[in-house]
Amino acid sequence: QKEVEQDPGPLSVPEGAIVSLNCTYSNSAFQYFMWYRQYSRKGPELLMYTYSSGNKEDGRFTAQVDKSSKYISLFIRDSQPSDSATYLCAMRVLDSGYALNFGKGTSLLVTP
Amino acid sequence: DAMVIQNPRYQVTQFGKPVTLSCSQTLNHNVMYWYQQKSSQAPKLLFHYYDKDFNNEADTPDNFQSRRPNTSFCFLDIRSPGLGDAAMYLCATRTDGANSPLHFGNGTRLTVT
Repeated sequence: QKEVEQDPGPLSVPEGAIVSLNCTYSNSAFQYFMWYRQYSRKGPELLMYTYSSGNKEDGRFTAQVDKSSKYISLFIRDSQPSDSATYLCAMRVLDSGYALNFGKGTSLLVTP
Repeated sequence: DAMVIQNPRYQVTQFGKPVTLSCSQTLNHNVMYWYQQKSSQAPKLLFHYYDKDFNNEADTPDNFQSRRPNTSFCFLDIRSPGLGDAAMYLCATRTDGANSPLHFGNGTRLTVT
């Protein structure tokens, strides 16, 4: 079992929809969680990061962490065609080591 | 305003012909990483540097080597590229804080013919 699982999609939604992107993980020691957005032929770009369970909001984006279920989510409200990209979750044991554990990414297409 | 710059953006090399990919950063970050990302796959860590201290992942093939001559620059050398080495190669940096986020470059897409 891979440490981080993420449905690759593709996920296609109409403009304005609420999008839910999810990852599950197996290592209960993970405590630092990130979401990256990657446009085609570009490097990943950090969207949000959080250490704690619960919700963290930034504009149209909300990151949610449920450590008891080992499940993290990224919600995008009022989705736009410019949100079309691959979304990668990543996580790490807090204060330990330098490597991030990435999911494979979910490909999102927002249609006008 | 690019802060992690990778050159070239696209590189074509022949099977077995050595190739070097470069990364530079203007962020003055201590830590630099090289990741390999194949289509629809998670980025896979190849190496990282903490300042000049080099750390090789256990499953990184010997065919891959790296140099970091100074804080700003880092190179990935592939001594004898195989068809399976075709991928996007991503450089990333971060500050010294153990939980600071990674900043990625736009990658070099390597094609092996």
